[in-house]
Amino acid sequence: EPEVTQTPSHQVTQMGQEVILRCVPISNHLYFYWYRQILGQKVEFLVSFYNNEISEKSEIFDDQFSVERPDGSNFTLKIRSTKLEDSAMYFCASSIGQPGTQYFGPGTRLLVL
Amino acid sequence: GENVEQHPSTLSVQEGDSAVIKCTYSDSASNYFPWYKQELGKRPQLIIDIRSNVGEKKDQRIAVTLNKTAKHFSLHITETQPEDSAVYFCATHNGRGSTLGRLYFGRGTQLTVWP
Repeated sequence: EPEVTQTPSHQVTQMGQEVILRCVPISNHLYFYWYRQILGQKVEFLVSFYNNEISEKSEIFDDQFSVERPDGSNFTLKIRSTKLEDSAMYFCASSIGQPGTQYFGPGTRLLVL
Repeated sequence: GENVEQHPSTLSVQEGDSAVIKCTYSDSASNYFPWYKQELGKRPQLIIDIRSNVGEKKDQRIAVTLNKTAKHFSLHITETQPEDSAVYFCATHNGRGSTLGRLYFGRGTQLTVWP
């Protein structure tokens, strides 16, 4: 069964550094998402992406964040200048339609020191 | 925006008993209600979902009920097994405007099933 994949599984970075989190959505899916989960808290929506553009972004998704689909398979989240409070598990998800089942990747645990 | 409340935060049951987790939401435009199971260190996995034109849906030992008037929906697990132990999240989606797929999650329920 196809799955969403994410790399790296863990990332440790210094405050102020840029990080890029990578995702490979399920191949025939059209909608892509990033969510994050701070330890012990709820899963929070960051951004949705469809037809090569952002569909919606949350209040968390400020100018430090950007997303890109550089080729036909990858979907990336970039944080330009990381802050301590960016430490969280970041999940990528994809769906074939709306509303539709969103399939989540295994997550990238980001730790900002 | 949408506010999803989930209760209880922890739930312990004996193997074979039933477990019920409840969620309430605030946005009457919400039209899709998935439930995810997340085992420790793993990805959230959809276990069941329901759309707003349906009041109840069942899949083997798992069922979800939806009361649109009261804006609440519940997950029911019967004949619980130790492998049901996990964190369960409810979520909502509303199809309004440009909100293409945004899910609003509850805080999660840690279910522990004791053998």
